[in-house]
This record gives sequence, C-alpha cells and structure tokens, in this order.
Amino acid sequence: DAGVTQSPTHLIKTRGQQVTLRCSPKSGHDTVSWYQQALGQGPQFIFQYYEEEERQRGNFPDRFSGHQFPNYSSELNVNALLLGDSALYLCASSFSGVEQFFGPGTRLTVL
Amino acid sequence: AQTVTQSQPEMSVQEAETVTLSCTYDTSESDYYLFWYKQPPSRQMILVIRQEAYKQQNATENRFSVNFQKAAKSFSLKISDSQLGDAAMYFCAYSPYSGGGADGLTFGKGTHLIIQP
Repeated sequence: DAGVTQSPTHLIKTRGQQVTLRCSPKSGHDTVSWYQQALGQGPQFIFQYYEEEERQRGNFPDRFSGHQFPNYSSELNVNALLLGDSALYLCASSFSGVEQFFGPGTRLTVL
Repeated sequence: AQTVTQSQPEMSVQEAETVTLSCTYDTSESDYYLFWYKQPPSRQMILVIRQEAYKQQNATENRFSVNFQKAAKSFSLKISDSQLGDAAMYFCAYSPYSGGGADGLTFGKGTHLIIQP
C-alpha cells in the first residue's frame, strides 16, 4: 500500500517565479492538507482540500493556492516567489478521521 | 488562536533510559486532539501517539506514553527504554474537534532528541 507521495523531491526557483508542487494521498484517503516547514521550525498549516474544495485555510497570503483533482491528488501553487518561501512543503492525507499521514516533503529553495 | 509551546529545543538521554518531552498549549475549546509526531532526518513526519481531550486516561503506545493535564493545558511525552532509533525531532501538535474529520494541525517548534549510546 503506497503511502503519501510528493513530487518533486527538491527544486530551485528564483524570486518572482511561480511553482507547483504535487501530492498523491494514501490509498483510500480523500482529504489533503498542505504545510510549510521553515528551517528549524514546526510545520505551519497552509490549507486543506476535501471534495475538490478548499475546506480550511491557515494564515497564508493569496499567493498560495491549491487544487484537488477527482482522484483526490492535489497541487500547491505559489506565485511571485519570495526568499521567505524557501521551506520544506509537506502534504498530509486523511479519511474521515483525525489521523493525518504525511509525505516525505518537497524542499523548495528560492534564490 | 491556538498556540503550542515546546520549551526544550534539545534534550539528551542515555540509551535505555527514560526521557520526558514537555508541551503546553493554549485553546478556548473544550474538545480537541493532541499529538506527538516524530521527524527523523529523512523528514518523514510519523505519528507517535495521540490523545483525545475528552478521555481522562493517558494514551500509551508501547514505550511511549503521555501525561495529559487538561486543566494545566500540558501534554508531555515520556519515552521509556530509549533506543538509538528514537533520535529525531519531536513535535507536539493540536487539532480542534470539528466532527468532520481531520482539521489543520497547529505545531510547536519541536524538541531535538539526542540518544547517547
């Protein structure tokens, strides 16, 4: 049973560019959450998608947007990248329960 | 807004001994969940243990147990018989109870646990 997968593993962008990160949830899961983890910090909740709609959102600007597809996979888009967007981006999935299963993350570096 | 505080940036323990990691939180909710997650150098966040606020009994999972003090808003993790594989960052996390499934988690800044052989 495949767990949560994320792609790419690592990418480098320059300020002002746009980036798209992808997440495939654990088999049977229908809810996807995204988190940003800056170096030396705990993860911060960005938003959560359920039934292709944004269900919850944390304190992040509109430059951060997302999408969920009918197969429950999800994308995180970040526009107009800033140096401060450099972080590990974690995806977590769940199904009608409290426990969230995390993926290995995507390391984004903004130069 | 809910906050989670981990006051120990780093802890060190001898292999086979017991260590306790501290966590306090602030919320106005009466129903919620608390979690301890482990993040090894591989970066994969792994759930160690969870506690439902309505349950008075402290959760246990093998060598891992918690001391949940609801009135004090304290949630500590005890690791017994520490093993080298326990070395990792440990994060305390909070989730409100919405009745509709998993909510966004609020994490503390983490405690780096070192196991001395």
